[in-house]
Amino acid sequence: EVQLVESGGGLVQPGRSLRLSCTASGFTFGDYGLSWVRQAPGKGLEWVGFIRSTAYGVTTEYAASVKGRFTISRDDSKSIAYLQMNSLKTEDTAVYYCTRGQGGGGAHWFDPWGQGTLVTVSS
Amino acid sequence: DIVMTQTPLSSPVTLGQPASISCRSSQSLVHSDGNTYLSWLQQRPGQPPRLLIYKISNRFSGVPDRFSGSGAGTDFTLRINRVEAEDVGVYYCMQVTQFPYSFGQGTKLEIK
Repeated sequence: EVQLVESGGGLVQPGRSLRLSCTASGFTFGDYGLSWVRQAPGKGLEWVGFIRSTAYGVTTEYAASVKGRFTISRDDSKSIAYLQMNSLKTEDTAVYYCTRGQGGGGAHWFDPWGQGTLVTVSS
Repeated sequence: DIVMTQTPLSSPVTLGQPASISCRSSQSLVHSDGNTYLSWLQQRPGQPPRLLIYKISNRFSGVPDRFSGSGAGTDFTLRINRVEAEDVGVYYCMQVTQFPYSFGQGTKLEIK
């Protein structure tokens, strides 16, 4: 079964850092790009960023709201993608989902989605 | 950046009746490769999103055929042939043509 499981969420103070993990199983992780998407409580979906597969250079793309603060990386040997979040703000409070990209280097549709991990930024 | 606008934001529907959700993009979603990368996702209460439709009209694996997508360029539609109770949730369009990728605001489908 193709599966993604996020972990690492929790309560963190503004200005601090947190690293989320997305652990994959059931497919050849290194062949796919991955995105992170977040959802603030009671709100809609917001795309956060994307990391391409090794075949496409492991390059990354980010939303303007997180660029310079968040970094996506991957360890294909462990089938894990990471979201390093620095200088956290209260508006970063959300459930964070990872999702597998399909359809080429840019990944033009996304499935499956993990269950998400909640990040709460508060003093 | 491409802005996605959905209408309506809320859609009360009678069981067994059709439902339709519109999505408009602020610029064409035709990719340089000739494809149009517009997806529709469903999010049931308390669940993560689920892919329903990709490239405007392609139903993803396991999606019932009562769901269909159509459109071109900047205007797209998701239709549900006969709404069932399990269809309750929020539906999002998502453009995956140009970075930064973006979502519509979501349309809440509820039963009358």
